[in-house]
Amino acid sequence: GQNIDQPTEMTATEGAIVQINCTYQTSGFNGLFWYQQHAGEAPTFLSYNVLDGLEEKGRFSSFLSRSKGYSYLLLKELQMKDSASYLCAVTDSNYQLIWGAGTKLIIKP
Amino acid sequence: IAGITQAPTSQILAAGRRMTLRCTQDMRHNAMYWYRQDLGLGLRLIHYSNTAGTTGKGEVPDGYSVSRANTDDFPLTLASAVPSQTSVYFCASSDGGLAGNEQFFGPGTRLTVL
Repeated sequence: GQNIDQPTEMTATEGAIVQINCTYQTSGFNGLFWYQQHAGEAPTFLSYNVLDGLEEKGRFSSFLSRSKGYSYLLLKELQMKDSASYLCAVTDSNYQLIWGAGTKLIIKP
Repeated sequence: IAGITQAPTSQILAAGRRMTLRCTQDMRHNAMYWYRQDLGLGLRLIHYSNTAGTTGKGEVPDGYSVSRANTDDFPLTLASAVPSQTSVYFCASSDGGLAGNEQFFGPGTRLTVL
């Protein structure tokens, strides 16, 4: 079966750095997405990785290792507005997105 | 209209009733999707459409039907609602169904079936 694993919840302090991990087992791999979802709102796109390595975009970076079936999202200089759920999703061999359940990130002052 | 709109925002429905959730996008995207999101579970694909005139079944299609008569609209119909269909429903679109094309989401419809 296809499976995406993420921690259910994480807590971090404003101004700090947090790393959210995602491991996946899917039938084929055609890229990995990270989305942010604030409570009661729609998911919004953060990043896309298809090759191994680190993609940096401002305070957010995303890393991929295809051989390990592993990705992480790194958030730096955390702000209160970063409190949200972070969703990992993998495009499988049929080009369908398989979604993880999401990691709820709580930022404390 | 800018992006994707969904209607209604929320709805309480009696079991056994028929309900259509509406979705419209103005980005001229080829592909559209319907997901449901339940607490503790990831987004689950109900149905999708890679282009106008075609539809396909996702992971959890039972009890739902869709149509794609044109590029912009992708309604989702529950023929006879059951309490297990209580969920938040998101419509999304992308510029083609290929890898790397991010999906844009509508604001969601919160549906409660009693």
